[in-house]
Amino acid sequence: AQTVTQSQPEMSVQEAETVTLSCTYDTSESDYYLFWYKQPPSRQMILVIRQEAYKQQNATENRFSVNFQKAAKSFSLKISDSQLGDAAMYFCAYRGTFAGNMLTFGGGTRLMVKP
Amino acid sequence: DTAVSQTPKYLVTQMGNDKSIKCEQNLGHDTMYWYKQDSKKFLKIMFSYNNKELIINETVPNRFSPKSPDKAHLNLHINSLELGDSAVYFCASSQGTSGGYNEQFFGPGTRLTVL
Repeated sequence: AQTVTQSQPEMSVQEAETVTLSCTYDTSESDYYLFWYKQPPSRQMILVIRQEAYKQQNATENRFSVNFQKAAKSFSLKISDSQLGDAAMYFCAYRGTFAGNMLTFGGGTRLMVKP
Repeated sequence: DTAVSQTPKYLVTQMGNDKSIKCEQNLGHDTMYWYKQDSKKFLKIMFSYNNKELIINETVPNRFSPKSPDKAHLNLHINSLELGDSAVYFCASSQGTSGGYNEQFFGPGTRLTVL
């Protein structure tokens, strides 16, 4: 079974600075998809960024980018120019190709942004 | 325009009762899911339906019974509620189950509290 590990339960960043959230996963599949979801206090799960394992280029969405290291099974999220609204729980998620599209989530990282 | 909606958003009930949570999506998606988020924020898949057919049924007590009257709706019925059922339940939907990202869109969650 696939597992997803987020080793940082909490992270803190100063407003306007950059922070990196870590995620590692375990799988025997060669093709799969990785996602970062944001969950603010409102509870809504919001997709931040996604990456397909076959694509070597790291995904970027505005201030959010990933560092995808397939061999190391690592998928970290970098948030640049952090804003107060970035404060939330962040979940890394894995989706294989043979599991009916189910997402396997990491335990989450709570990000605090200091003004 | 709410893409994935859940009712109710909050549910407080006594142990032993039976309750239902409803989910509807207006995205035209074929696949719907139920996830459970426990008090430590850990998210785990419970069920998945594709075109009204059950395709994922994780190790969930049989007190939990999903029902899909049509592909836009996936309801969750819980019998004989226990204290450990207290959690946030998320409904989600996606276009399909394979090929491409098949991004999952989440509902706002239902916070269930069992007293």
